[in-house]
Amino acid sequence: GENVEQHPSTLSVQEGDSAVIKCTYSDSASNYFPWYKQELGKGPQLIIDIRSNVGEKKDQRIAVTLNKTAKHFSLHITETQPEDSAVYFCAASKVSRGNEKLTFGTGTRLTIIP
Amino acid sequence: DSGVTQTPKHLITATGQRVTLRCSPRSGDLSVYWYQQSLDQGLQFLIQYYNGEERAKGNILERFSAQQFPDLHSELNLSSLELGDSALYFCASSVQGRGGYTFGSGTRLTVV
Repeated sequence: GENVEQHPSTLSVQEGDSAVIKCTYSDSASNYFPWYKQELGKGPQLIIDIRSNVGEKKDQRIAVTLNKTAKHFSLHITETQPEDSAVYFCAASKVSRGNEKLTFGTGTRLTIIP
Repeated sequence: DSGVTQTPKHLITATGQRVTLRCSPRSGDLSVYWYQQSLDQGLQFLIQYYNGEERAKGNILERFSAQQFPDLHSELNLSSLELGDSALYFCASSVQGRGGYTFGSGTRLTVV
C-alpha cells in the first residue's frame, strides 16, 4: 500500500518568513495530493490540493509543488502569520470511483514566532 | 460547520465498556471514512464505507466495528475498551471520484 513520509516534524519560523514542508510517497499510481491544516481541538481542514497532471498550484500565500518523477510534493507558505500556527498533514491517494482513501503523513507542527 | 456531523463531541467511559460514535456525512457524499488520532499522533485509517458497503479496512482492531446505514450515516462501535483506546476519532466524507475529504470535528474518547 501507499506510504507517505513527511518532514520536518516540527518547524518554527519568524513571522513574515516562509515555511516549507516536504512529503514523499511510494505508490507511483497515486494521483491526488491534498494538504490539511489542523488547529487545536478541531478536525483537519483541506487548505490546498494538487492532482498528478499539474506541477504547481497557488492560492494566495500558499502553494504546492509536485515532482512525479521523484515522488515528492511540498507545501510552501509565504509571509507567514500567527494564525498559520497549526499542525499540517500531507496525504496521497489513488482516486477512483468510490475510493478516495487518503494515506496521511505524520504531520508537521508549525509555530510562527511573532 | 464543515457539513460532517459527529456526535458526541466528548465521551468518558470506563475500561471494558462499549461505546458508539455517530457520523452524518455531508449531503450527497456517499463515502464515509473513520480515522483514529492518538495524542500527538498522525491520522490512522480505520475503515471506509461507500454507499452502505465496506470498501477498505485499515488498522482496525477486532474489538471495533462499523456500519453505514441506508440514510448514509455511519456508526463506529468500540467494545471492551482499554486505556489505550483513548483518542480523537474523526469521521470524514468525500464526493465520489473527486478526492479529498471533509472532516467532522471529532469525538474525543477518554477511557478511565
